[in-house]
Amino acid sequence: GAVVSQHPSWVICKSGTSVKIECRSLDFQATTMFWYRQFPKQSLMLMATSNEGSKATYEQGVEKDKFLINHASLTLSTLTVTSAHPEDSSFYICSARVAGGYYNEQFFGPGTRLTVL
Amino acid sequence: SQQGEEDPQALSIQEGENATMNCSYKTSINNLQWYRQNSGRGLVHLILIRSNEREKHSGRLRVTLDTSKKSSSLLITASRAADTASYFCATDASNTGKLIFGQGTTLQVKP
Repeated sequence: GAVVSQHPSWVICKSGTSVKIECRSLDFQATTMFWYRQFPKQSLMLMATSNEGSKATYEQGVEKDKFLINHASLTLSTLTVTSAHPEDSSFYICSARVAGGYYNEQFFGPGTRLTVL
Repeated sequence: SQQGEEDPQALSIQEGENATMNCSYKTSINNLQWYRQNSGRGLVHLILIRSNEREKHSGRLRVTLDTSKKSSSLLITASRAADTASYFCATDASNTGKLIFGQGTTLQVKP
C-alpha cells in the first residue's frame, strides 16, 4: 500500500527558531501534497496545497511568509515554520495525492507534533 | 473554512453495539470520505463515497450519502474496543483533493 512518511515525528524548539518538516511519499509519485494543522481536540484545517514544481496555494488566513512550502520533487514536500511562536504549537499532517490516481486517492502521513517553548 | 458538522461530538457504547455518526455539509460535493484517527496519530482512510452513490459497504462499515440533505452517516456494526478513535468526514467539492474536514466524532467502545 501507499505510504507517506513525515520527519520528524515530534519537535520541540525555542520561540523564534525555524522548523522544517518533511513529507515523503515512499512508494508512489505525488504531484500534489496537502498540509493540514490540527489543534488539540479539534479537526484538521487545510493550510496549503503543494504542487510539484510550482508555488504552493495557501488557504485564507494562512501566512505564506510564515509557513514556507517547497515541493521540489514528486516524492518530497517540506513545510518550514519560520520564527515559530508558542501559538504555532500544533500537530501538522501532510497528505499526498497519487499522480493520475482514481478520484482522490490520497494518503496521510503520521503527523508531526510541534511544541514551541 | 470547515464545512462539515458532525454529530454526536462524542459517543460511548459497549462492545458489540452499533455506532452511528452523522455528517452534514454545506456545498455541493464531488465525493465524501470518512477517516479514523487514533489519539495523536495520523489519519486512516476508511471509505469514499461518490456524489452519485447512496450507500457503500466495507466490512463492518456502512456509509450512506444523501446529497439532497447534504448529509452522510457512518455506521460501525458489532463495535470492538479497537474501534475507539475519532472519526472525521471530509468533503471534496472539486475533485482537486482539497478536503474540508468535519469536526469529528470521538467514539469510545467499552470492553
